[in-house]
Amino acid sequence: DAGVIQSPRHEVTEMGQEVTLRCKPISGHDYLFWYRQTMMRGLELLIYFNNNVPIDDSGMPEDRFSAKMPNASFSTLKIQPSEPRDSAVYFCASSFGTGKGTGELFFGEGSRLTVL
Amino acid sequence: AQSVTQLGSHVSVSEGALVLLRCNYSSSVPPYLFWYVQYPNQGLQLLLKYTSAATLVKGINGFEAEFKKSETSFHLTKPSAHMSDAAEYFCAVSAYSSYKLIFGSGTRLLVRP
Repeated sequence: DAGVIQSPRHEVTEMGQEVTLRCKPISGHDYLFWYRQTMMRGLELLIYFNNNVPIDDSGMPEDRFSAKMPNASFSTLKIQPSEPRDSAVYFCASSFGTGKGTGELFFGEGSRLTVL
Repeated sequence: AQSVTQLGSHVSVSEGALVLLRCNYSSSVPPYLFWYVQYPNQGLQLLLKYTSAATLVKGINGFEAEFKKSETSFHLTKPSAHMSDAAEYFCAVSAYSSYKLIFGSGTRLLVRP
């Protein structure tokens, strides 16, 4: 399996622009997670999906952030409009949670976002 | 609610020395506990996990961790550090009924030659 695939790996944009980050989870995994990593706040869970349905979005910082999962093999995290404080590495992770899954997450390599 | 505390943002050891990275957890229900490693510019990789079976858990690359309920701890150890172990290590907790992992703040391990 190719693992969790994220794109783009690096994104530099200007304040006010729309940013879309993409994720392809591991085939067969039914949970998908979006995390944000910064020096100041560490790893923060933004939102997670089960069978394409958002379960908990309490970590989404504000309305400028939105996430979708239109099908089992694709998810997006969108920031509109972007701000410099959104600069971070955004990770997507997936897991096989049906039955009594133990919650092991498989992470992508991350998307490093810089907002100027 | 679950949370984890990692003591020490940086740990420095000599090559060949014992590695000890500390993690204490808080959980209102029996927890699942994990250690992940992150190499520069990469995602997180699972080192090992505790899921209520054996309290001493062995992972990859010679690492192991012991679940101690009385101390609410899940410290990570390795008998002999290698240069390749230099990375950031994260402890994480989730509840049995939840697939939501909560991560600690991380400990950066430096290995001196």
